[in-house]
Amino acid sequence: DVKVTQSSRYLVKRTGEKVFLECVQDMDHENMFWYRQDPGLGLRLIYFSYDVKMKEKGDIPEGYSVSREKKERFSLILESASTNQTSMYLCASSPGREQFFGPGTRLTVL
Amino acid sequence: GQSLEQPSEVTAVEGAIVQINCTYQTSGFYGLSWYQQHDGGAPTFLSYNALDGLEETGRFSSFLSRSDSYGYLLLQELQMKDSASYFCAVPTSGTYKYIFGTGTRLKVLA
Repeated sequence: DVKVTQSSRYLVKRTGEKVFLECVQDMDHENMFWYRQDPGLGLRLIYFSYDVKMKEKGDIPEGYSVSREKKERFSLILESASTNQTSMYLCASSPGREQFFGPGTRLTVL
Repeated sequence: GQSLEQPSEVTAVEGAIVQINCTYQTSGFYGLSWYQQHDGGAPTFLSYNALDGLEETGRFSSFLSRSDSYGYLLLQELQMKDSASYFCAVPTSGTYKYIFGTGTRLKVLA
């Protein structure tokens, strides 16, 4: 079974803090993704990576950066958290067509 | 731009058949996927259609008409556990980067 794990289920941070969200997959997938999910807006792609050290912006990259130093790990970084970044963050990995999602991190920025 | 449109909510009774529609606007077409997400859970892959026609997997079927830029997910013999949100998704520009619809919340009534 493919397993995608995320570092926290719930996270509360203060405005201006630097926030790290970690994602690890155990199936040697090339592609990894970060989405945010908000009510009524569905899943929106923040960044994705198709190889180690490779990344591409998604639809809403502003205020975020990513890091992929190892194939199994993809990190999302909020350089200076803001209240409008309060959301559910979902990580996914994929060998191609099918995406496997982690359980999500619900981030609240106060 | 690229977009997907699906109804926000559908309600049906246990044992019935329900169809969830998805229309898309994309530059190039490479396939249509469907995902299921229960409240508090991660999205899970249901199906993928690259060619026109109906693909059946147990109680769930997915249909695609490329000429109409339209697809649907058909759920038969509805069960209470089918209550969830369903998302259609398309890859962009032949990559593994997907755009997701805003989701259809299915409520199954006893």
